[in-house]
Amino acid sequence: EPEVTQTPSHQVTQMGQEVILRCVPISNHLYFYWYRQILGQKVEFLVSFYNNEISEKSEIFDDQFSVERPDGSNFTLKIRSTKLEDSAMYFCASTFGGTGSQETQYFGPGTRLLVL
Amino acid sequence: GDSVTQMEGPVTLSEEAFLTINCTYTATGYPSLFWYVQYPGEGLQLLLKATKADDKGSNKGFEATYRKETTSFHLEKGSVQVSDSAVYFCALRAGNNRKLIWGLGTSLGVNP
Repeated sequence: EPEVTQTPSHQVTQMGQEVILRCVPISNHLYFYWYRQILGQKVEFLVSFYNNEISEKSEIFDDQFSVERPDGSNFTLKIRSTKLEDSAMYFCASTFGGTGSQETQYFGPGTRLLVL
Repeated sequence: GDSVTQMEGPVTLSEEAFLTINCTYTATGYPSLFWYVQYPGEGLQLLLKATKADDKGSNKGFEATYRKETTSFHLEKGSVQVSDSAVYFCALRAGNNRKLIWGLGTSLGVNP
């Protein structure tokens, strides 16, 4: 069964450093998402991406964040200058984008980011 | 704004006990409702969904009915197993908006 994959599974970085989180969505999916979950808090939507551009972003997704689909398979989240409060589990998701069963978002296993 | 409220955990049950995890929502229009499950060390997996009022989603013995009148989508299972130990998340997708809005998650532990 097709699945969303994410790398790395864990990332430790120093405050102020740039990190890139990578995702490979399911191959025929058209919509891509990033969510994050700070320990003990709700899963939060960050951004959605369709047709090579951001379709929606949350207030969290400020100028420190960017997303890119550099080729036909990868979808990346870049944090330019990490802060302590960026420590969280980051989930990538994808969906075909239709209605009914096609709207289901499939999630990757997550990348746990720790900023020291 | 749109929101999801789940009962707080952790919930601990004995094997074969009945499970209910409450979920209520606030949303404009008619959202689609989802339950996701996260097993230890794994990602978020869709457990079941319902897209309109009175729909019942079901999977792996779990059920949830979309109740518009009470704005609820409670998760139930008649007889839990140790392998059901996981964190369960209620979520909604409102109208044409594609993002998911999540509850806090409820941790379930099942003892043999």
